[in-house]
This record gives sequence, C-alpha cells and structure tokens, in this order.
Amino acid sequence: EPEVTQTPSHQVTQMGQEVILRCVPISNHLYFYWYRQILGQKVEFLVSFYNNEISEKSEIFDDQFSVERPDGSNFTLKIRSTKLEDSAMYFCASSQGVYSNQPQHFGDGTRLSIL
Amino acid sequence: DAKTTQPPSMDCAEGRAANLPCNHSTISGNEYVYWYRQIHSQGPQYIIHGLKNNETNEMASLIITEDRKSSTLILPHATLRDTAVYYCIVRDQDSGAGSYQLTFGKGTKLSVIP
Repeated sequence: EPEVTQTPSHQVTQMGQEVILRCVPISNHLYFYWYRQILGQKVEFLVSFYNNEISEKSEIFDDQFSVERPDGSNFTLKIRSTKLEDSAMYFCASSQGVYSNQPQHFGDGTRLSIL
Repeated sequence: DAKTTQPPSMDCAEGRAANLPCNHSTISGNEYVYWYRQIHSQGPQYIIHGLKNNETNEMASLIITEDRKSSTLILPHATLRDTAVYYCIVRDQDSGAGSYQLTFGKGTKLSVIP
C-alpha cells in the first residue's frame, strides 16, 4: 500500500540553526500538509499546500516557517531559525483532493529536538 | 477547537469487540466523520470515514446515528496491536471556502488487555 515517507526520523539541531524536514507524499496525491505534535499535546495543523501555493495556514505557521515542493516529488518544511519551543514531532500528510470524503494519509513523522 | 467529544480512555479484552463512542452534536449536514488512530507517537493512521450511512472496511466499522449527532467506531476483534489513541474528527469547514485542516482533539486511549 502506498505511503507517505519522511526523513530524517530524528533531527537534532542547535537553537538558531535552520532545519529542513523532508517528505515524499503518495504519488498521485495533489494536496500536502504539515502538522506538528509537541510531546504530550494534540496534533496541530500547520499548513496545507496545493499547486505550488499555500492553501491554508495556522497561526503557528509564522515567518520562520516555509514550505516548498522543489522537484515534484519531495515536499519540505523549513524552519529558518529554530527555537526551543519548535521541539516536536512533525508529520507530513497528503490527500488526493480536499473534498470532505478524501482522507489525508500521514507519514510516521520527524522528531525534531532543539538544543 | 475540536467539534467532537470522546471518553479519555477505555479498556477492551483481547479478542473482544472494541466500541469507541464519539459525540458530534453540532455536526452540519455536509460534514464527514473521520476516525484516525495514533500508535506510540507514530503518525496518525486513517481508519474510516462516513457521512450518514454505516461504513465497514478491513479495519473497522463505523456506525452513525440517524440524527448524525454521534457515532461509534467498532473494532470487531481487538488485538494488542490495536492499543492506541483513537481520534474522532469532523472536518472543519468554518474557515471560509472549505478548510483543509484536520482538527485533532485528545482522543480516546484504548488499551487492549490480554
């Protein structure tokens, strides 16, 4: 069964450094998402992306964050200058469309640890 | 905020059916009910979704009440590997012309006991 893959599984970065998290969505999917989950808390939506544009973003997704699909297969989340509070699990998801009956499928996440 | 209410935890004996309830009394007519689960902080795994009719797939069954104000996810023969947090989600359409995000609540922690 096709799946969303994320790399790396664990990323350790010094505070203030830039980090890029990578995702390969399911191949025939057109919509892409990032979510995060701080340890012990809920899964939170960050951003959705379609046709090389951001479709929707949450208040969490501030100017420190950016997304792109550089080569038609990878979907990346960049955090420009990491803060301690960025430590979390980051999940990528994809869906064929955005109609209510089209589920999002998630990868297993990247654990980001900021020191 | 999540538009659903779920019990924080439930136990189920291995091999028995697990019935996980969800209340979504403010659901509107075109909103689907989705169920996901999360095992050991892995990514949320899609289970099933429905609008008004009962649905069944290889993982589970979804029973939606006629008034659509509540639903039940049924795992017919729970195994130890079904121990996870189960999330009931109504697609949020409050942010204008269609919202893409899934809004997760705290879910129900299901413990399958040998």
